[in-house]
Order: sequence, then structure tokens, then C-alpha cells
Amino acid sequence: DTAVSQTPKYLVTQMGNDKSIKCEQNLGHDTMYWYKQDSKKFLKIMFSYNNKELIINETVPNRFSPKSPDKAHLNLHINSLELGDSAVYFCASSPRRGGSEKLFFGSGTQLSVL
Amino acid sequence: QKEVEQNSGPLSVPEGAIASLNCTYSDRGSQSFFWYRQYSGKSPELIMSIYSNGDKEDGRFTAQLNKASQYVSLLIRDSQPSDSATYLCAVRGAGANNLFFGTGTRLTVIP
Repeated sequence: DTAVSQTPKYLVTQMGNDKSIKCEQNLGHDTMYWYKQDSKKFLKIMFSYNNKELIINETVPNRFSPKSPDKAHLNLHINSLELGDSAVYFCASSPRRGGSEKLFFGSGTQLSVL
Repeated sequence: QKEVEQNSGPLSVPEGAIASLNCTYSDRGSQSFFWYRQYSGKSPELIMSIYSNGDKEDGRFTAQLNKASQYVSLLIRDSQPSDSATYLCAVRGAGANNLFFGTGTRLTVIP
């Protein structure tokens, strides 16, 4: 079974559309994250939830809205997509927040905005 | 100034050589340091973590940390073509929930 799974793997859409990416982890971890990786491979934190509570909200346009219905799921909804939103979005989890444990990454969602 | 900086490369080494990857960070209070490997089109995976000054060895990999100089490095001995990937340095500050990543160094091992 995949530890951190996110869907879809590829997402191609037009500017102005609204889309969602879903993420689920079956590791029993308390903390989940969304990272954005641009074309230069820079991996930047967007959001982090600990037990459904938002603990990190970096400077991200408010068109991006995370939702955590339970600690095993963290979804990302994006409104009014723009060209600059094209990137790979990675979901990740860790056993607890702020710890020294490693991050477990999902396989990524390649978002292309046309 | 970025929190974590790496030379983006590409770094090319012949098979069997030692590959040396470097990383500097800005937060002097940082406590935890990680190296992730990312193959093209794949997700990052942790290969090394280091928390105290000095060297930490795991197989062909050695992580080196110097907190006074605020740098962390990764040495790969006997480099193999399968080591060709982007290596991401990540740093967690004191009391921080966030893990800051560098832009990664692309390594190519030439057979």
C-alpha cells in the first residue's frame, strides 16, 4: 500500500479554472504538508496541518485553500488558476510537527495551467 | 537571502569518484539537517540526517556538519550512475515546524 498518495498525478487545465488535489496518508502521522516545486526544483512549503489544525501558512495567494477533514487527509483547492501556478505539488507527512523525523512525500501532482 | 543555498550544478563526476555536495544556511539556530535525493520525475526521499557537528557515515554516504560555519555537506564515495539525481539540502530551525529546502544540486555520474 502506498504510504502517501495524492491524486491526480497530472492536471492540465485552463487559466481561470478551479481545481483540487487530494492527499491521503496511511502511516498514522499527525502532520501533513503541501509543498510546491517550481521548474528550478525549488521546494517551498505552502501549508502544514497538525491533527487537522493549520500550523504553517506561508505567503501563498488566498486562491489556495487547504482542507483537512481528518488527520489522514489534506486536500488543496485552487481557485482562478494562473499560469504561474504551473508546478509540481507534493503532499508530505511526518509523525509529528517540528520533529527530526523525515518527511514522507507523495508522488507529486504535475499541474500545467494553459 | 534564501534560508538554504546550494550550488545548482550540474555537477559531473566519473564513476567511482567522490562526489561532494555543499549547502549553507542562514539561521544560526538551526538544529536538524537533512539530505534528500530526488530522481527525475520522482518525489524526494531522505538519504541522510545529521544533528551534531562532525561526520556521519552511512554506507557510501557521509554527511558533514559545521555549525560554526553554517554549512553541511554530503560526500558520495565510489559514485555510481544510479546516484545521478538532484540532491536537496533541508534545514529545520530551532523550534520551527517548517523544513527549508535548498534549490538542489543536480549530480551526473558518468559511466
